[in-house]
Amino acid sequence: KNQVEQSPQSLIILEGKNCTLQCNYTVSPFSNLRWYKQDTGRGPVSLTIMTFSENTKSNGRYTATLDADTKQSSLHITASQLSDSASYICVVSAKDSNYQLIWGAGTKLIIKP
Amino acid sequence: DTGVSQNPRHKITKRGQNVTFRCDPISEHNRLYWYRQTLGQGPEFLTYFQNEAQLEKSRLLSDRFSAERPKGSFSTLEIQRTEQGDSAMYLCASSLDPGIFYEQYFGPGTRLTVT
Repeated sequence: KNQVEQSPQSLIILEGKNCTLQCNYTVSPFSNLRWYKQDTGRGPVSLTIMTFSENTKSNGRYTATLDADTKQSSLHITASQLSDSASYICVVSAKDSNYQLIWGAGTKLIIKP
Repeated sequence: DTGVSQNPRHKITKRGQNVTFRCDPISEHNRLYWYRQTLGQGPEFLTYFQNEAQLEKSRLLSDRFSAERPKGSFSTLEIQRTEQGDSAMYLCASSLDPGIFYEQYFGPGTRLTVT
């Protein structure tokens, strides 16, 4: 069964600190993996999209990694800011299923001053 | 074009009433998707359109749900005889086909509360 699991479920860190969020997936055949940021009460916004051949991709203070062998991805946030408080959702797309995305439940990140 | 827009942003209705939501996608996007999201969960796929054709519907889309995209531009999602279990955020997204990984751009959502 195609699944995406994320950990931790929630995380609280102090402003300025770094953090890493984890994503494990069992989607096959794999096409690409995305990380979305979703502010409370808003729609998700794409942070990165990674294909099988990409190991790392950065978007400002966000760096995503992908290990296609172990089917794991991480999202590292550097020097966190209060505006980083949001849910971060890992999403995987299977090949030949160009419309359907398999969504994780998300990690709720809270940045405290 | 400033992105995907959805109306209304919030809707409170009584059980048994019908509700209709509207989504305006990014103008050049030919694909449009509807999702439902409950608290603490990722979005669940409901249906998608390629232009005006509805190409796929999830099993989540019961007979009480209907979606249209009559001219291949905006779309409406109607829920008939609402139930308390329909309370959720309804998200719309659009993408370009062909496009880079069919990247989906989301609207702000419509939050439905059924009392």
